[in-house]
Amino acid sequence: GEDVEQSLFLSVREGDSSVINCTYTDSSSTYLYWYKQEPGAGLQLLTYIFSNMDMKQDQRLTVLLNKKDKHLSLRIADTQTGDSAIYFCAENQRDTGRRALTFGSGTRLQVQP
Amino acid sequence: NAGVTQTPKFQVLKTGQSMTLQCAQDMNHNSMYWYRQDPGMGLRLIYYSASEGTTDKGEVPNGYNVSRLNKREFSLRLESAAPSQTSVYFCASSESLGDRSNQPQHFGDGTRLSIL
Repeated sequence: GEDVEQSLFLSVREGDSSVINCTYTDSSSTYLYWYKQEPGAGLQLLTYIFSNMDMKQDQRLTVLLNKKDKHLSLRIADTQTGDSAIYFCAENQRDTGRRALTFGSGTRLQVQP
Repeated sequence: NAGVTQTPKFQVLKTGQSMTLQCAQDMNHNSMYWYRQDPGMGLRLIYYSASEGTTDKGEVPNGYNVSRLNKREFSLRLESAAPSQTSVYFCASSESLGDRSNQPQHFGDGTRLSIL
């Protein structure tokens, strides 16, 4: 979706941290989500953040939200080969009338052993 | 707990053929969605159903029809398949439409559809 932008590809070494970035356009979005898609599978909800929060941590995952710049990031600590997948950010766009989530194009994370 | 189940998982059609993709959820969710996923374009919403008995167009509805058969089931129909409809189709559900509240969507594993 053109309203939510992500870089296409990220490569890291096993054990390093990964940071996946996302920018969005709808300032009225209330919840922002990160999904993970493994090959041949559907999207799995990883985590979410409410728009009045700056940060949320969930085990190895840290979500940072800069509402002023409309920038969302997902940090994966101690990245493992099992983290290799496509990661999508998504927002609920209240003002567009779509009334459903709008997804970015996805960032393919490749973890090198 | 199966979550969201889609059938079939794979299908090959000839141009002009019709087909219905099935989706069922067992989470008692009110809202259901159909997306298509194409390389480099993320997920695009085709149709959604806010609640049983209602359906609405999404971003790319042309060439598709939907039926919300009951609370559990939401089907997607291609009346006359075209090569441009070759894609991976995902069904999703959520407790209700995510307006002001946290309503993450839960996805099925997808149907891979090829139109020759």
